[in-house]
Amino acid sequence: QITLNESGPTLVKPTQTLTLTCTFSRFSLNTGGVGVAWIRQPPGKALEWLAFIYWDDDKRYRPSLKSRLTITRDTSKNQVVLTMTNLDPVDTATYYCAHSRGPPYVFDYWGQGTLVTVSS
Amino acid sequence: DIQMTQSPSTLSASIGDRLTITCRASQSIGTWLAWYQQKPGKAPKLLIYKASSLESGVPSRFSGSGSGTEFTLTISSLQPDDFATYYCQHYNDYSYTFGQGTKLEIK
Repeated sequence: QITLNESGPTLVKPTQTLTLTCTFSRFSLNTGGVGVAWIRQPPGKALEWLAFIYWDDDKRYRPSLKSRLTITRDTSKNQVVLTMTNLDPVDTATYYCAHSRGPPYVFDYWGQGTLVTVSS
Repeated sequence: DIQMTQSPSTLSASIGDRLTITCRASQSIGTWLAWYQQKPGKAPKLLIYKASSLESGVPSRFSGSGSGTEFTLTISSLQPDDFATYYCQHYNDYSYTFGQGTKLEIK
């Protein structure tokens, strides 16, 4: 069974940088077609995808947040890291990482999510 | 960017009802459409991909249809476990846009 687990700070101050780590098991990001995405959900609101990294290290970002996001992988540690700069209270959300077996690039396994609050 | 719009935003229904949720794309997306179910405090669960393909392990009372700009998710006979929020998602190799969600409530 594929598992993913998000970790990182629960409270971040405005203007700071957020670093979240997704640690996964039972799949490899070296396998053709596989990808990992970050998706967030503000309290009471809809899902919003943020970034996606493919098995070949190709990357995609949400256009409106592209300047603030960086997604990287460490295949030796089975981890994907998301960095978001210049945090604002509107970035308060539950952040999920998810596996994609792709194509099609849908998200078939998800982590449990981690709530990040941006507040001074 | 392609926008995904779901209707209705909220739906009240009873056990045993047949219901349909609609998702519209701002431009044609072929059949690159998925549906997810999310319960409070939980991660979403993939139900349908490529507009009408049922994910393994998902009950057959769930079905999807459509192509181009209009898509539907149908639950043939509502069960207690089905009360949740449902999201459509367009995906391709550079974007993975979700709809705003449809909350299914018990009548």
